[in-house]
Amino acid sequence: QSALTQPRSVSESPGQSVAISCTGTSSDVGGYNYVSWYQQHPGKAPKLVIYDVTKRPSGVPDRFSGAKSDNTASLIISGLQIEDEADYYCSSFAGGPVVFGGGTKLTVL
Amino acid sequence: QVQLVESGGGVVQPGRSLRLSCVASGYPFRNYGMHWVRQAPGKGLEWVADIWHDGSKEYYADSVRGRFTISRDDSKTTLYLQMNSLRDEDTAVYYCARDYSYGSKDFRGQGTPVTVSS
Repeated sequence: QSALTQPRSVSESPGQSVAISCTGTSSDVGGYNYVSWYQQHPGKAPKLVIYDVTKRPSGVPDRFSGAKSDNTASLIISGLQIEDEADYYCSSFAGGPVVFGGGTKLTVL
Repeated sequence: QVQLVESGGGVVQPGRSLRLSCVASGYPFRNYGMHWVRQAPGKGLEWVADIWHDGSKEYYADSVRGRFTISRDDSKTTLYLQMNSLRDEDTAVYYCARDYSYGSKDFRGQGTPVTVSS
């Protein structure tokens, strides 16, 4: 159960787009279409923003989208807003167990 | 609306035990798998364990296997985490979450903090 690999931090300006990568192996990200993404603001519980690689739960803006190629998944946020500044975590089903990425701090400056 | 309320956290000495509870409401509890996820101070999210909707299968992170046990009582719409042989590195906020789809987790509670310290 090795953690998925995410960049420690990314930054972008309001109104722009940003992509956060999440790299795993053929035993997790590459083996299943069950990657999910979570947004977490300081002191708050995580919030599911993408599941099953590309699907959005109700209430999540369509500025959030997901993709996957081989062993790497991506979260794309377009039209960045100040309130998107948060930590983002990816997670993948791994045939029973689940694995998280180390998290990416998104700064909107 | 979906609600998950975690409880049972606290300060405990190394080697001792603690049982966490998570009361669910607002949805058919017995139809959903459930997870425990933790977050150590200043660190990222770590999946701990999950249990299938019918309780037939359980999975654990390597770091807790053999020490922690996940269980559920559908009559009480409650999820549990029995934590034995606690270690300093188990200090974290513990969240329960509903399985949204094959490992995707719907967090609806604020977590319960556990501190393992002598």
